[in-house]
Amino acid sequence: QSALTQPASVSGSPGQSITISCTGTNSDVGAYYLVSWYQQHPDKAPKLMIFGVSDRPSGVSSRFSGSKSGNTASLTISGLQAEDEADYYCCSFAGTSYVFGTGTKVTVL
Amino acid sequence: EVQLVESGGGLVQPGGSLRLSCAASGFSFSDYWMMWVRQAPGKGLEWLANIKYDGSDKYYGDSVKGRFTVSRDNTKNSLFLEMDRLRDDDTAVYYCARTNSHALFFWGQGTLVTVSS
Repeated sequence: QSALTQPASVSGSPGQSITISCTGTNSDVGAYYLVSWYQQHPDKAPKLMIFGVSDRPSGVSSRFSGSKSGNTASLTISGLQAEDEADYYCCSFAGTSYVFGTGTKVTVL
Repeated sequence: EVQLVESGGGLVQPGGSLRLSCAASGFSFSDYWMMWVRQAPGKGLEWLANIKYDGSDKYYGDSVKGRFTVSRDNTKNSLFLEMDRLRDDDTAVYYCARTNSHALFFWGQGTLVTVSS
């Protein structure tokens, strides 16, 4: 159960688009369309942003979108806003277990 | 409104035990799989365990298998995590979460467990 690989940090200016990658294996990300993404602000509980690779829960901005190609999933934030500055984690179902990504700190310049 | 409230965290010595609880409200608890996730200070999220809606299936992460036990009481809308043989590296904030479609839709606020002598 090795953690999925994410870049440690990604930054962008307000209004820009950024993409966070999440690389796993053909036993987790590559095997299922069951990747989810979470946003976590400091000292807060994580919040679900994307599930099922590309579906958004009710109330989550359409600026957040997800995709997957092979063993790599991606989260794109378009029209970057100051409030998007947070840590982001991917998570994949892996048969009978779950594995989280290493986490990415998003900085809004 | 869905609410999940963890309790039971605190300071425990290495080798000790602790039982965490998660009180659920605002939804039909017995209809959902539930999960425990933790986050060590300054670190990322780690899946620990999940349990089927009726308690009949349970799965554990490698780091806690054999030491932690997940259970639930659907009559009391409560989820539990029994933690034994605690180690220093079990120090973390522990979250319970309601899952659906293999995603964690709702999270509690977390409870801090500190393992230290």
